[in-house]
Amino acid sequence: GAVVSQHPSRVICKSGTSVKIECRSLDFQATTMFWYRQFPKKSLMLMATSNEGSKATYEQGVEKDKFLINHASLTLSTLTVTSAHPEDSSFYICSASPPFGTENQPQHFGDGTRLSIL
Amino acid sequence: AQSVTQLGSHVSVSEGALVLLRCNYSSSVPPYLFWYVQYPNQGLQLLLKYTSAATLVKGINGFEAEFKKSETSFHLTKPSAHMSDAAEYFCAVSGTGNTGKLIFGQGTTLQVKP
Repeated sequence: GAVVSQHPSRVICKSGTSVKIECRSLDFQATTMFWYRQFPKKSLMLMATSNEGSKATYEQGVEKDKFLINHASLTLSTLTVTSAHPEDSSFYICSASPPFGTENQPQHFGDGTRLSIL
Repeated sequence: AQSVTQLGSHVSVSEGALVLLRCNYSSSVPPYLFWYVQYPNQGLQLLLKYTSAATLVKGINGFEAEFKKSETSFHLTKPSAHMSDAAEYFCAVSGTGNTGKLIFGQGTTLQVKP
Protein backbone atom coordinates (compact mmCIF):
# COMPACT_ATOMS: atom_id res chain seq x y z
CA GLY A 1 0.00 0.00 0.00
CA ALA A 2 0.89 3.65 -0.20
CA VAL A 3 3.58 4.66 2.24
CA VAL A 4 4.61 8.08 3.44
CA SER A 5 7.89 8.49 5.28
CA GLN A 6 8.61 11.43 7.56
CA HIS A 7 11.99 12.33 8.96
CA PRO A 8 13.20 13.00 11.58
CA SER A 9 10.84 11.46 14.10
CA ARG A 10 12.07 13.65 16.91
CA VAL A 11 14.03 16.87 17.16
CA ILE A 12 15.24 18.68 20.25
CA CYS A 13 17.04 21.95 19.66
CA LYS A 14 17.75 25.37 21.06
CA SER A 15 15.61 28.42 20.54
CA GLY A 16 16.55 30.28 17.37
CA THR A 17 17.48 27.18 15.41
CA SER A 18 15.84 26.40 12.08
CA VAL A 19 14.56 22.87 11.70
CA LYS A 20 13.79 21.02 8.47
CA ILE A 21 11.32 18.15 8.32
CA GLU A 22 11.07 15.89 5.29
CA CYS A 23 8.04 14.10 3.96
CA ARG A 24 8.46 11.49 1.25
CA SER A 25 5.98 9.41 -0.67
CA LEU A 26 7.80 6.12 -1.10
CA ASP A 27 5.80 4.26 -3.73
CA PHE A 28 3.71 6.87 -5.49
CA GLN A 29 3.99 10.36 -6.87
CA ALA A 30 2.29 13.10 -4.93
CA THR A 31 1.60 16.42 -6.61
CA THR A 32 0.03 17.59 -3.38
CA MET A 33 1.06 16.99 0.20
CA PHE A 34 -0.38 18.41 3.38
CA TRP A 35 1.26 19.59 6.58
CA TYR A 36 -0.58 19.40 9.89
CA ARG A 37 0.23 20.47 13.39
CA GLN A 38 -1.11 18.65 16.41
CA PHE A 39 -1.08 19.99 19.94
CA PRO A 40 -1.21 17.60 22.92
CA LYS A 41 -4.61 15.97 23.32
CA LYS A 42 -5.88 17.92 20.33
CA SER A 43 -6.92 17.27 16.78
CA LEU A 44 -4.89 17.93 13.67
CA MET A 45 -4.76 21.47 12.38
CA LEU A 46 -4.03 21.87 8.69
CA MET A 47 -1.17 24.31 8.23
CA ALA A 48 -0.64 24.31 4.51
CA THR A 49 -1.01 22.52 1.22
CA SER A 50 2.26 21.77 -0.49
CA ASN A 51 2.08 21.89 -4.29
CA GLU A 52 4.79 20.37 -6.43
CA GLY A 53 6.50 23.01 -8.52
CA SER A 54 4.59 25.95 -7.11
CA LYS A 55 4.04 27.91 -3.95
CA ALA A 56 2.38 26.34 -0.97
CA THR A 57 -1.09 27.41 0.07
CA TYR A 58 -1.23 28.38 3.71
CA GLU A 59 -4.25 28.25 5.98
CA GLN A 60 -5.43 31.38 7.66
CA GLY A 61 -3.30 32.34 10.62
CA VAL A 62 -0.25 30.31 9.61
CA GLU A 63 2.87 32.43 9.06
CA LYS A 64 4.35 31.50 5.71
CA ASP A 65 7.69 33.13 6.56
CA LYS A 66 7.86 31.09 9.72
CA PHE A 67 6.92 27.77 8.19
CA LEU A 68 8.68 27.45 4.85
CA ILE A 69 7.43 24.72 2.56
CA ASN A 70 9.26 23.40 -0.47
CA HIS A 71 7.90 20.73 -2.79
CA ALA A 72 10.67 20.35 -5.32
CA SER A 73 9.84 16.87 -6.57
CA LEU A 74 6.85 14.57 -6.86
CA THR A 75 8.00 12.51 -3.89
CA LEU A 76 9.40 15.07 -1.46
CA SER A 77 8.04 18.00 0.49
CA THR A 78 9.94 19.77 3.24
CA LEU A 79 8.74 21.96 6.08
CA THR A 80 11.29 24.28 7.63
CA VAL A 81 10.46 25.91 10.94
CA THR A 82 12.61 29.02 10.88
CA SER A 83 14.09 30.53 14.02
CA ALA A 84 12.10 28.15 16.14
CA HIS A 85 10.92 29.18 19.60
CA PRO A 86 9.37 27.17 22.44
CA GLU A 87 5.86 27.97 21.24
CA ASP A 88 6.66 26.14 18.01
CA SER A 89 7.09 22.92 19.95
CA SER A 90 4.51 20.50 18.65
CA PHE A 91 3.86 17.31 16.71
CA TYR A 92 4.03 17.92 12.96
CA ILE A 93 2.50 15.41 10.55
CA CYS A 94 2.49 15.27 6.78
CA SER A 95 0.16 13.42 4.45
CA ALA A 96 -0.13 12.62 0.77
CA SER A 97 -2.32 10.62 -1.56
CA PRO A 98 -1.91 9.14 -5.03
CA PRO A 99 -3.17 11.60 -7.62
CA PHE A 100 -6.05 9.53 -8.99
CA GLY A 101 -8.82 11.85 -7.94
CA THR A 102 -8.39 13.34 -4.52
CA GLU A 103 -11.73 13.64 -2.82
CA ASN A 104 -12.22 9.95 -2.17
CA GLN A 105 -8.60 8.89 -2.08
CA PRO A 106 -7.50 8.48 1.51
CA GLN A 107 -4.62 10.53 2.74
CA HIS A 108 -1.64 8.49 3.88
CA PHE A 109 0.14 9.94 6.85
CA GLY A 110 3.73 10.03 7.92
CA ASP A 111 4.60 8.98 11.46
CA GLY A 112 5.03 12.56 12.56
CA THR A 113 7.87 14.65 13.94
CA ARG A 114 7.98 15.63 17.59
CA LEU A 115 9.64 19.04 17.74
CA SER A 116 10.84 20.30 21.10
CA ILE A 117 12.41 23.74 21.34
CA LEU A 118 14.34 24.49 24.51
CA ALA B 1 -18.54 24.83 4.83
CA GLN B 2 -17.89 21.31 5.96
CA SER B 3 -17.34 20.23 9.52
CA VAL B 4 -17.16 17.14 11.67
CA THR B 5 -18.20 16.72 15.29
CA GLN B 6 -17.16 13.79 17.40
CA LEU B 7 -19.40 13.34 20.41
CA GLY B 8 -17.42 12.34 23.45
CA SER B 9 -13.76 13.16 23.77
CA HIS B 10 -13.20 10.08 25.88
CA VAL B 11 -14.88 6.67 25.69
CA SER B 12 -14.11 3.81 28.06
CA VAL B 13 -15.22 0.22 27.47
CA SER B 14 -14.36 -3.15 28.91
CA GLU B 15 -12.45 -5.67 26.88
CA GLY B 16 -14.94 -7.67 24.82
CA ALA B 17 -17.60 -4.97 24.94
CA LEU B 18 -19.10 -3.10 22.02
CA VAL B 19 -17.22 -0.05 20.83
CA LEU B 20 -19.25 2.92 19.55
CA LEU B 21 -17.55 6.15 18.57
CA ARG B 22 -19.84 8.88 17.32
CA CYS B 23 -19.29 11.21 14.41
CA ASN B 24 -21.67 13.72 12.87
CA TYR B 25 -20.87 15.75 9.81
CA SER B 26 -22.05 18.86 8.09
CA SER B 27 -21.62 19.19 4.36
CA SER B 28 -23.29 21.07 1.55
CA VAL B 29 -22.28 18.38 -0.94
CA PRO B 30 -22.26 14.59 -0.74
CA PRO B 31 -19.42 13.92 1.64
CA TYR B 32 -16.49 11.57 1.59
CA LEU B 33 -15.91 10.42 5.15
CA PHE B 34 -13.00 8.72 6.84
CA TRP B 35 -12.05 7.23 10.18
CA TYR B 36 -8.41 7.25 11.23
CA VAL B 37 -6.68 5.80 14.29
CA GLN B 38 -3.62 7.29 15.96
CA TYR B 39 -1.40 5.46 18.41
CA PRO B 40 0.85 7.50 20.74
CA ASN B 41 3.58 9.45 18.95
CA GLN B 42 2.60 8.07 15.57
CA GLY B 43 0.87 9.32 12.48
CA LEU B 44 -2.64 8.39 11.43
CA GLN B 45 -3.68 5.07 10.01
CA LEU B 46 -6.78 4.74 7.85
CA LEU B 47 -9.45 2.47 9.34
CA LEU B 48 -12.10 2.88 6.68
CA LYS B 49 -13.65 5.30 4.23
CA TYR B 50 -17.08 6.09 2.83
CA THR B 51 -17.21 7.18 -0.78
CA SER B 52 -20.92 6.65 -1.59
CA ALA B 53 -20.55 3.07 -2.87
CA ALA B 54 -22.17 1.42 0.17
CA THR B 55 -23.59 2.86 3.36
CA LEU B 56 -22.10 0.14 5.58
CA VAL B 57 -18.36 0.26 5.34
CA LYS B 58 -16.07 -2.40 6.72
CA GLY B 59 -12.55 -1.50 7.69
CA ILE B 60 -9.48 -3.01 9.21
CA ASN B 61 -9.16 -4.56 12.67
CA GLY B 62 -12.86 -5.49 12.78
CA PHE B 63 -14.16 -1.93 12.66
CA GLU B 64 -17.08 -0.80 10.57
CA ALA B 65 -19.10 2.38 10.12
CA GLU B 66 -22.52 3.16 8.76
CA PHE B 67 -23.31 6.27 6.76
CA LYS B 68 -26.75 7.64 7.65
CA LYS B 69 -27.67 10.62 5.55
CA SER B 70 -30.88 11.31 7.45
CA GLU B 71 -28.92 11.59 10.67
CA THR B 72 -25.78 13.11 9.10
CA SER B 73 -23.83 10.51 11.01
CA PHE B 74 -20.94 8.14 10.40
CA HIS B 75 -20.49 6.29 13.68
CA LEU B 76 -17.68 3.79 14.12
CA THR B 77 -18.36 0.45 15.76
CA LYS B 78 -16.62 -2.76 16.69
CA PRO B 79 -18.48 -5.70 18.25
CA SER B 80 -15.79 -6.68 20.71
CA ALA B 81 -13.04 -4.41 21.99
CA HIS B 82 -9.46 -5.57 22.34
CA MET B 83 -6.84 -4.01 24.56
CA SER B 84 -4.91 -3.13 21.41
CA ASP B 85 -7.77 -0.90 20.26
CA ALA B 86 -6.89 1.71 22.88
CA ALA B 87 -5.91 4.77 20.86
CA GLU B 88 -7.10 8.12 19.53
CA TYR B 89 -9.73 8.00 16.81
CA PHE B 90 -10.44 10.75 14.33
CA CYS B 91 -13.37 11.19 12.00
CA ALA B 92 -12.70 13.33 8.93
CA VAL B 93 -14.51 14.70 5.92
CA SER B 94 -12.88 15.47 2.62
CA GLY B 95 -13.02 19.13 1.71
CA THR B 96 -14.88 20.41 -1.30
CA GLY B 97 -13.24 21.53 -4.48
CA ASN B 98 -11.24 18.36 -5.12
CA THR B 99 -8.35 19.66 -3.03
CA GLY B 100 -7.72 16.54 -0.99
CA LYS B 101 -7.92 18.51 2.24
CA LEU B 102 -9.24 16.71 5.27
CA ILE B 103 -11.28 18.37 7.98
CA PHE B 104 -10.90 16.50 11.23
CA GLY B 105 -13.13 16.09 14.22
CA GLN B 106 -11.77 16.76 17.67
CA GLY B 107 -10.85 13.15 18.25
CA THR B 108 -12.04 10.52 20.71
CA THR B 109 -9.75 8.69 23.07
CA LEU B 110 -10.75 5.08 23.43
CA GLN B 111 -9.77 3.39 26.68
CA VAL B 112 -10.16 -0.39 26.97
CA LYS B 113 -10.28 -1.80 30.46
CA PRO B 114 -9.29 -5.40 31.20
